[in-house]
Amino acid sequence: IAGITQAPTSQILAAGRRMTLRCTQDMRHNAMYWYRQDLGLGLRLIHYSNTAGTTGKGEVPDGYSVSRANTDDFPLTLASAVPSQTSVYFCASSATSGGVHEQFFGPGTRLTVL
Amino acid sequence: GQNIDQPTEMTATEGAIVQINCTYQTSGFNGLFWYQQHAGEAPTFLSYNVLDGLEEKGRFSSFLSRSKGYSYLLLKELQMKDSASYLCAVLGSNYQLIWGAGTKLIIKP
Repeated sequence: IAGITQAPTSQILAAGRRMTLRCTQDMRHNAMYWYRQDLGLGLRLIHYSNTAGTTGKGEVPDGYSVSRANTDDFPLTLASAVPSQTSVYFCASSATSGGVHEQFFGPGTRLTVL
Repeated sequence: GQNIDQPTEMTATEGAIVQINCTYQTSGFNGLFWYQQHAGEAPTFLSYNVLDGLEEKGRFSSFLSRSKGYSYLLLKELQMKDSASYLCAVLGSNYQLIWGAGTKLIIKP
């Protein structure tokens, strides 16, 4: 693994189904983030984690949950998917000490909820 | 509220220079980032400004004026591969990034 990986690449999901998007990084970054990107709205933060064992809510957390059991993994779960959750989901990570703290992004998951 | 404004779309000619502006109003400021995002791909980091002035990195430069809440990204010697969206983001008081909607740059031969 190099950088951040996300799975699946794309998914079509029936409304009401449960879905977990996976995110793994190998850069030993403390902070991780989940964003959704919709046309014309830019990136919106769903949830974040500043370090393993802690999570926080972003701008649009409703309908989503996360966990951070270890440094590398940060899964995002949709408990009961709705069509408004159709979007492209990006996972990102960043260091939290020294340097610029730029965020590195995974390739994204394109999710369609029907 | 918090707000970041940048033009929705710009068009420029191959070989020319283009300036993409970004204005922001945020509660707290810990730096401003520019990212490039090609269609269907993830954003990639271009530049970071935390002090006023110009940061130059090859064909790309980024400028910041904190007193005016203003930044621009300057792209020189435009190439067709520069066709992409350019995202402005401010690191706010809680150290979370606040993102603009992005500027789609179209390069014409």
